[in-house]
Amino acid sequence: DQQVKQNSPSLSVQEGRISILNCDYTNSMFDYFLWYKKYPAEGPTFLISISSIKDKNEDGRFTVFLNKSAKHLSLHIVPSQPGDSAVYFCAASAQNTGNQFYFGTGTSLTVIP
Amino acid sequence: EPEVTQTPSHQVTQMGQEVILRCVPISNHLYFYWYRQILGQKVEFLVSFYNNEISEKSEIFDDQFSVERPDGSNFTLKIRSTKLEDSAMYFCASGITSKRLNEQFFGPGTRLTVL
Repeated sequence: DQQVKQNSPSLSVQEGRISILNCDYTNSMFDYFLWYKKYPAEGPTFLISISSIKDKNEDGRFTVFLNKSAKHLSLHIVPSQPGDSAVYFCAASAQNTGNQFYFGTGTSLTVIP
Repeated sequence: EPEVTQTPSHQVTQMGQEVILRCVPISNHLYFYWYRQILGQKVEFLVSFYNNEISEKSEIFDDQFSVERPDGSNFTLKIRSTKLEDSAMYFCASGITSKRLNEQFFGPGTRLTVL
């Protein structure tokens, strides 16, 4: 039962360029989405969120886009920096799942200096 | 900056043994969670805990699992009789509010290896 999917297990980007990480979901009841970043030997760290009433949320170099009709969200990092190299998880929740988040399998981003 | 801590970082146990994974949430947080991530798979919700009781649990959280907040600081996950398939990273998280816009702060995880 994979309600949240990240189809790209890895991504490499040159420093200074844009990184685009994608996430698809199947549950139309999801109305809140988050991106987490995870470094090796650390727990996931909250990065940015978006609720379904919006289609874009921006925080510094990070922007999340939500396309509800396509059940797709993406995280844009621009410009990418070597310190952004990490595993990125998208997660989703719905009103009727309370605080339970469903995570994707993650995309490992490598930013090449 | 306050953080969630977890001990041990790595636990090795024999199948059928009981294990207790420990977490110290951020001190003013009221909501506590356990997640697990089997190697190479997605992070999965196990249970949430508020006001000294379980508020939600997933299908994974069966009778072999229990959680407890034995004192004002620790939050534990007990697996009564471990199985090979319990081998995973277990993440504790805490949050200050139940509002769905909250951020859940994660600990570094405990790697459980069941032999």
